[in-house]
Amino acid sequence: DTAVSQTPKYLVTQMGNDKSIKCEQNLGHDTMYWYKQDSKKFLKIMFSYNNKELIINETVPNRFSPKSPDKAHLNLHINSLELGDSAVYFCASSQSPVSNEQFFGPGTRLTVL
Amino acid sequence: GESVGLHLPTLSVQEGDNSIINCAYSNSASDYFIWYKQESGKGPQFIIDIRSNMDKRQGQRVTVLLNKTVKHLSLQIAATQPGDSAVYFCAETGTGTASKLTFGTGTRLQVTL
Repeated sequence: DTAVSQTPKYLVTQMGNDKSIKCEQNLGHDTMYWYKQDSKKFLKIMFSYNNKELIINETVPNRFSPKSPDKAHLNLHINSLELGDSAVYFCASSQSPVSNEQFFGPGTRLTVL
Repeated sequence: GESVGLHLPTLSVQEGDNSIINCAYSNSASDYFIWYKQESGKGPQFIIDIRSNMDKRQGQRVTVLLNKTVKHLSLQIAATQPGDSAVYFCAETGTGTASKLTFGTGTRLQVTL
């Protein structure tokens, strides 16, 4: 059984396009996250939602817009894609906002051409 | 800004030997320090955490040591196995609901047969 799933696994697109990545968790967790991992493996948080409410919003361009329709889903929409957006995006979830154990999805590798 | 970093980018260890992965941190106000393991093509996976008021914590085949005097964190893996080959990240966080995991740069552990 998949705990945290993301779709698609790979996404190749042209600069300027708009794309979305979907994330779902079946762990019954209250908190979900989006992370970006660059080519040097550096992992940085972008957003965090708790019970559908935004609680962490890092310094991320407003071209990135997360949406949480319910606490089991956290989607990431990206407008006007740029070359620098190429990275692996990970969704994660945790029982609460103060849990150190976060469960990560398999990642979505985004390539912007 | 404050950061969490690692001394060695790559560590090669023979199967059966013990591994020690090191991490230096600069935020002395962090409440927890955490280790994550990321296997190739997968998302990070929680290994163990330690609260800032402790200096040692043991798990299954792993031990985390915290030296607050020199702001140093280490992960010891006993009897290293091929399945331990991965990139290991240290991370730090506070305890508030808006606390986030700040990850270090990662160390690749290669287990040789």
